[in-house]
This record gives sequence, C-alpha cells and structure tokens, in this order.
Amino acid sequence: DQQVKQNSPSLSVQEGRISILNCDYTNSMFDYFLWYKKYPAEGPTFLISISSIKDKNEDGRFTVFLNKSAKHLSLHIVPSQPGDSAVYFCAASDDGNQFYFGTGTSLTVIP
Amino acid sequence: DTAVSQTPKYLVTQMGNDKSIKCEQNLGHDTMYWYKQDSKKFLKIMFSYNNKELIINETVPNRFSPKSPDKAHLNLHINSLELGDSAVYFCASSQGFGRETQYFGPGTRLLVL
Repeated sequence: DQQVKQNSPSLSVQEGRISILNCDYTNSMFDYFLWYKKYPAEGPTFLISISSIKDKNEDGRFTVFLNKSAKHLSLHIVPSQPGDSAVYFCAASDDGNQFYFGTGTSLTVIP
Repeated sequence: DTAVSQTPKYLVTQMGNDKSIKCEQNLGHDTMYWYKQDSKKFLKIMFSYNNKELIINETVPNRFSPKSPDKAHLNLHINSLELGDSAVYFCASSQGFGRETQYFGPGTRLLVL
C-alpha cells in the first residue's frame, strides 16, 4: 500500500517561472518530510526537509509547504532553471526509522 | 571523491544465478541502507544496518542477504535470481539512525533474463 503518492508523473515549466511539485500522504503519523532530487544515472540527493511543527521551510529558490490537515506537501522552485530538470521524490517518516518514498515527478524546465 | 559508491553499475544475468552488489561509503556514517526501485518507480527500503547490526529488514525474500563486514561497507547478495528481481538497487548511508539525511549511491541496474 503506497503511503506517499506523487500523482503527477511529469511536469514541464518555462525557465524563470514557478515549478510546483505535489505530494500526498495517507499516514497521519508522518511528521517528517523530505524532498530528494535525482538526475539520470545518479542516486537521489537531498534537497530540503520539513518537520510537522512547521508549515513552511525555505532554502534559496526552494520552499516546501506542509498542510497537515490535508496531508499534503508541495515543493516550490522559483525561479525555475534548466538545471532543475530532474526527477523529484518526496519522502515521509513517522518515527524516523524509515522513510517512505513517492514514485517521483519528472520536472522539465524549458529554456 | 565519491561519497557512496556501488559496484557494478550494470548487471545482466540469467535466472537462477547468484550475484552480489557491493556498496562502500567514505563519509564515516554509522548507518547504511539498501533500497529497491522497481519498474513502477517505487523506491522501497529493503535493509538498514546501524553499526553493522541489522535494524530494518522489510519483507524481502530470504534469497536476499545483506552482509556488512564493517561500517563502511554493506553488500547485497542475491541467490537464485528471478525475473522479478530486475530493478535498480540503491545503497545509501546516513550519519546516524532516524531522521538523518541519507546519501545515495548511483544505483545498480540489475536485469535478470
């Protein structure tokens, strides 16, 4: 049973515009969330995280928003750059012992 | 310098064979993991080792056996390979156990014919 879902397998955005990647989860016990970025033929690399005590965390061009009541988080990239083209995975944990990953969203930023 | 490395990068083999995938991390981390990414792109944890001790062992066939000779290495041995084992296998490591950032290797693409 997939507890973390990324329902959009792909997204295309013009360079300079905002990219919004979405993630939904079903387990209300999840309280720590991460986003990973993955280039082809490489492993995922950590991008940004958020704890459930916050509803927003910002790091440069990347902002993650958490809506606990809706069990939804999103990653905003502003402005989007061609180098941001990659697959983005969200992941969630309840006790920190393991993370549950979504299936990823492939972002293409068009120059 | 590669932080988490895996060998081989690609592995094509016949059903029924036994194969190993090696993983090494030079980050000084205490915890290492094996993940499997199947054709549907699910990235699912298989094993987690903390200081050479098994912490997480998800529902994985016992044909899969992890071996950790030391903190820097976590190898994955697979016996009697089946078609369904075809996937990308990622090794990862983290400083401690729990909510620590995991650093992933580049993946090993296994194809069982």
